[in-house]
Amino acid sequence: DARVTQTPRHKVTEMGQEVTMRCQPILGHNTVFWYRQTMMQGLELLAYFRNRAPLDDSGMPKDRFSAEMPDATLATLKIQPSEPRDSAVYFCASGWGTEGRPLHFGNGTRLTVT
Amino acid sequence: DAKTTQPPSMDCAEGRAANLPCNHSTISGNEYVYWYRQIHSQGPQYIIHGLKNNETNEMASLIITEDRKSSTLILPHATLRDTAVYYCIVRVLAGGTSYGKLTFGQGTILTVHP
Repeated sequence: DARVTQTPRHKVTEMGQEVTMRCQPILGHNTVFWYRQTMMQGLELLAYFRNRAPLDDSGMPKDRFSAEMPDATLATLKIQPSEPRDSAVYFCASGWGTEGRPLHFGNGTRLTVT
Repeated sequence: DAKTTQPPSMDCAEGRAANLPCNHSTISGNEYVYWYRQIHSQGPQYIIHGLKNNETNEMASLIITEDRKSSTLILPHATLRDTAVYYCIVRVLAGGTSYGKLTFGQGTILTVHP
């Protein structure tokens, strides 16, 4: 059963450090999404890509967050410098880009910034 | 996308049917109803979606009222593993750049007990 793979599953870092989260989408999927989940805000969309090109990153704080897809098998989300308010679970999801075909989510990276 | 209203929590006995309601009284004619669920420590999982006809798959059934102002997700024989947060999402099946942009509300916490 194909899955979206995210690494690391957990990350604890100190404020000011750079954090990189990685995602391997399901082979063949052409759209990749980054979502963030907190107790206060719930699940919110940060950014997404189609055919490796960024389509929308309006949900992402531009000054410290960056998202890239170096190739079709890897998506990265970087935070530099990290802040305590960035503590959350970050989910990657991928899909075929066709409505009616559901999104497949990874199991997330739980980030704690102290 | 139309707003949805779900009860914050529900209980169900193992082996019985779980009926999760969702109100979407402002739904438009071209908006679909999607259901996702999130089991603790995992990413959201697609369950089912529909427009106006009732739908069934291996996981669940979706019953949409004739006026489309509400729907019910039915898990026919709930198990302990179905304990999760269930999200009802209404959105236009537009494809293109809107694909995958899911707006998650607070959902319904379903607890299945022995």
